[in-house]
Amino acid sequence: QVQLQESGPGLVKPSETLSLTCTVSGGSITTYFWSWIRQPPEKGLEWIGYFDYSGATYYNPSLRSRLTISVDTSKNQFSLKLSSVTAADTAVYYCARFLGGYRHDYWGQGTLVTVSS
Amino acid sequence: QSVLTQPPSMSAAAGQKVTISCSGSTSNIGNNYVSWYQQFPGTTPKLLIFDNNKRPSGIPDRFSGSKSGTSATLGITGLQTGDEADYYCGTWDGSLSAVVFGGGTKLTVL
Repeated sequence: QVQLQESGPGLVKPSETLSLTCTVSGGSITTYFWSWIRQPPEKGLEWIGYFDYSGATYYNPSLRSRLTISVDTSKNQFSLKLSSVTAADTAVYYCARFLGGYRHDYWGQGTLVTVSS
Repeated sequence: QSVLTQPPSMSAAAGQKVTISCSGSTSNIGNNYVSWYQQFPGTTPKLLIFDNNKRPSGIPDRFSGSKSGTSATLGITGLQTGDEADYYCGTWDGSLSAVVFGGGTKLTVL
């Protein structure tokens, strides 16, 4: 059974960089694709980006200029860095496995990141 | 404004059937598989339907999916109070080169 767990600071100051890590257990991250998705309070889902097993990354065009997704295969982890954050980046951030047919089947429990001074 | 359009809310009586629509374009639904997710308040989204009409293991056959042209539909029969949740559609948009989701539909079971 694949399990994902997000970790990182729950509070980030405006203009700083949001950094989160997703740790995957029960499967290798080199076998599948993996996404970051976020959900602002009381709002819908927004895809942030994904990477494939070759290490190539694909970003939401609206976030691309501020976004970096990286992989640490030795720890079976992948990370998200979003720079120059504002209050609009306040959201629950999820990591998820991304399969063919553009579906996300396994999700982390999500972590709330609040952008505030 | 979401790329995929869903009704913000729907309601139906317990035991009845409801269909939730998801409207898109040839850039997304028209040329790609659609998935549906169920999300209860404060919990993680759960995959309900993938590849337009397939159910993951453990999802009851009360849930069904279909696609026609640039629209997709989630059907739920024999509604139960436990089906009260938010439902999201999702797919790939080739023009945006991005995964896109609908704005979500809040289902109330009367």
